[in-house]
Amino acid sequence: DAGVIQSPRHEVTEMGQEVTLRCKPISGHDYLFWYRQTMMRGLELLIYFNNNVPIDDSGMPEDRFSAKMPNASFSTLKIQPSEPRDSAVYFCASSLGRGQWGSNEQFFGPGTRLTVL
Amino acid sequence: AQTVTQSQPEMSVQEAETVTLSCTYDTSESDYYLFWYKQPPSRQMILVIRQEAYKQQNATENRFSVNFQKAAKSFSLKISDSQLGDAAMYFCAYRSGATSGSRLTFGEGTQLTVNP
Repeated sequence: DAGVIQSPRHEVTEMGQEVTLRCKPISGHDYLFWYRQTMMRGLELLIYFNNNVPIDDSGMPEDRFSAKMPNASFSTLKIQPSEPRDSAVYFCASSLGRGQWGSNEQFFGPGTRLTVL
Repeated sequence: AQTVTQSQPEMSVQEAETVTLSCTYDTSESDYYLFWYKQPPSRQMILVIRQEAYKQQNATENRFSVNFQKAAKSFSLKISDSQLGDAAMYFCAYRSGATSGSRLTFGEGTQLTVNP
């Protein structure tokens, strides 16, 4: 298994530009998570999906951020317009729900390092 | 809301020695899971060990073990026979047991240095 795949690995853009981050979860996993990591705020959940449906987007910082999961094998996180304070590492993770007592380990992708100038 | 606290921003250990990383959490739930993740310079988040709250026995994975004190809401990670490859940022994380795929709440992290 290739694991969770994220692209691009690095993104440098200018303030005001649209940025799209992509994620391919592990095949068969039914949960997908987007996390953001910064020095100031650490690792924080932005949004997560179950069976392609957004379940909790309370971590999305503002309307400039949007996430979609059009099918079970692909998700995007879009920032429009981007700002320097969006600079961070964005992780995608996926897991397989096994019911209430499952440990449901979350497997992380390698992350996308975003720099907004 | 649940919170996770790691009070040691940095720790260091000599190669082959033992080190313990601390983690405390706050929750009103009785069913939950706790995790330790390792993040080396490559940025990859790697699961080190996990503990189910309903289990009294402490989890062990080779050189890694935990001391889970449910009443004290403490979940420390012990690394025995430390190796240079153990150098990384370590994150403690909490997940509710209420639903199958709920979020992970992370602590601030502890940067571990292993000295040769």
